[in-house]
Amino acid sequence: AQSVTQPDIHITVSEGASLELRCNYSYGATPYLFWYVQSPGQGLQLLLKYFSGDTLVQGIKGFEAEFKRSQSSFNLRKPSVHWSDAAEYFCAVGGMDSNYQLIWGAGTKLIIKP
Amino acid sequence: GAVVSQHPSWVICKSGTSVKIECRSLDFQATTMFWYRQFPKQSLMLMATSNEGSKATYEQGVEKDKFLINHASLTLSTLTVTSAHPEDSSFYICSAKFPAYEQYFGPGTRLTVT
Repeated sequence: AQSVTQPDIHITVSEGASLELRCNYSYGATPYLFWYVQSPGQGLQLLLKYFSGDTLVQGIKGFEAEFKRSQSSFNLRKPSVHWSDAAEYFCAVGGMDSNYQLIWGAGTKLIIKP
Repeated sequence: GAVVSQHPSWVICKSGTSVKIECRSLDFQATTMFWYRQFPKQSLMLMATSNEGSKATYEQGVEKDKFLINHASLTLSTLTVTSAHPEDSSFYICSAKFPAYEQYFGPGTRLTVT
């Protein structure tokens, strides 16, 4: 079955500390992987995506993610978080198997401690 | 970048009335748009896939007669919630499929049925 797992419902990080948000997926075909961020009262914004090629992808706002096929993971990282990074983060997978519809993780709420 | 708008951003209606939500792709043509529903503190639930010029494809459990979707042009899809009831109160989000398999999201519409 196709699925996306974000094991952490919420994560609390001090401002300036590093961040890693976990994402594991189960998908039959070649996955297209995405990370979106949803800030309070705002729409979903695409942070980064992986289709093929270099497994370390750079996104906006200083985020990066690494695709590890052997672990079926696509973890999101940032070396130093800012208070403005507090938001809900969603991992999603899509591709030919799902007619390019996105399968969503449950989301991880990021809380920043001052 | 690709911009998707939704209108209205919030609406309050009385039980039994109908509400129409518009989703527009402002700077690109979208042959496919998606409609999602998001419950508080939860992930996105895909309701239907809307293809320009054809009938929408609804996900299992979504009442097509209650949630009418029309995709009359390459830049506009509408969702009409018919005979709304309080349990239809939710956050409705649309997205437009962009070439290269990405989806760009509207800011969402908060529907409250009283």
